[in-house]
Amino acid sequence: DVKVTQSSRYLVKRTGEKVFLECVQDMDHENMFWYRQDPGLGLRLIYFSYDVKMKEKGDIPEGYSVSREKKERFSLILESASTNQTSMYLCASSIQGNYGYTFGSGTRLTVV
Amino acid sequence: KNQVEQSPQSLIILEGKNCTLQCNYTVSPFSNLRWYKQDTGRGPVSLTIMTFSENTKSNGRYTATLDADTKQSSLHITASQLSDSASYICVVSDAGANNLFFGTGTRLTVIP
Repeated sequence: DVKVTQSSRYLVKRTGEKVFLECVQDMDHENMFWYRQDPGLGLRLIYFSYDVKMKEKGDIPEGYSVSREKKERFSLILESASTNQTSMYLCASSIQGNYGYTFGSGTRLTVV
Repeated sequence: KNQVEQSPQSLIILEGKNCTLQCNYTVSPFSNLRWYKQDTGRGPVSLTIMTFSENTKSNGRYTATLDADTKQSSLHITASQLSDSASYICVVSDAGANNLFFGTGTRLTVIP
C-alpha cells in the first residue's frame, strides 16, 4: 500500500512565523498535492506538483509556497503565518491520471 | 460550473441500522467518482472508485451506486457500527484534465 506521511499531526505556531509542512510518499508517485480543509468548505487545492522542481498553483495559493526537490517529498511553506491559515492541511499523491490517489493523515495547524 | 453536492450535511443513526448518503455532481466530462471515509482528525481513506460504466461497487458493508445519466451517486452503509462514525466525502474527477472536485461531506454519527 502507498504510504503518504505528514511529519506532524498537530502544530501550533505564532503569527508571523515561517512554517514548513512536510510530506513524503513511498511509492514513486509523480503527482503530489497540498490541500487545506475547513468546516463547510471541504478540501481546497493549494498547490500541486507533477514532477520534481515543478509546481502549479491550485485554487487558493495566496500566502503559501511549495518546494519539490526530490520526487518523494513535497513541502508546503507558510512564509509568514497568519491566523486565517489555521486549518487542517492534507497532502496527497497519485500516479498519472490521478490513479492511486492517496491522502496523508493530515496536519492540524493552529496559528495564534 | 463543475460542482459536487452532498446530502444530508449530517446524519445520526442507531447502531445496526442502514443509511444512504447522496452525491449529485455537474462535473463534465466525467471520468470517475470516488467515496472517501474520513475519521475525525485523520486524512480521507478511499472506499470505492467507479468509472462511467460501473453502476455499483461494494467494499464490505459499503455499497456505492452510480447513475451517470442523472449524475447521481449514493453510498449505502449496511448494519452500521460505531466505527462508521466519520465524514464521507464524494469526489468526482473530470476526463482529460484529471481535476478532482470535492463535495463538502456528510458527517455520520452512529450512536449505541
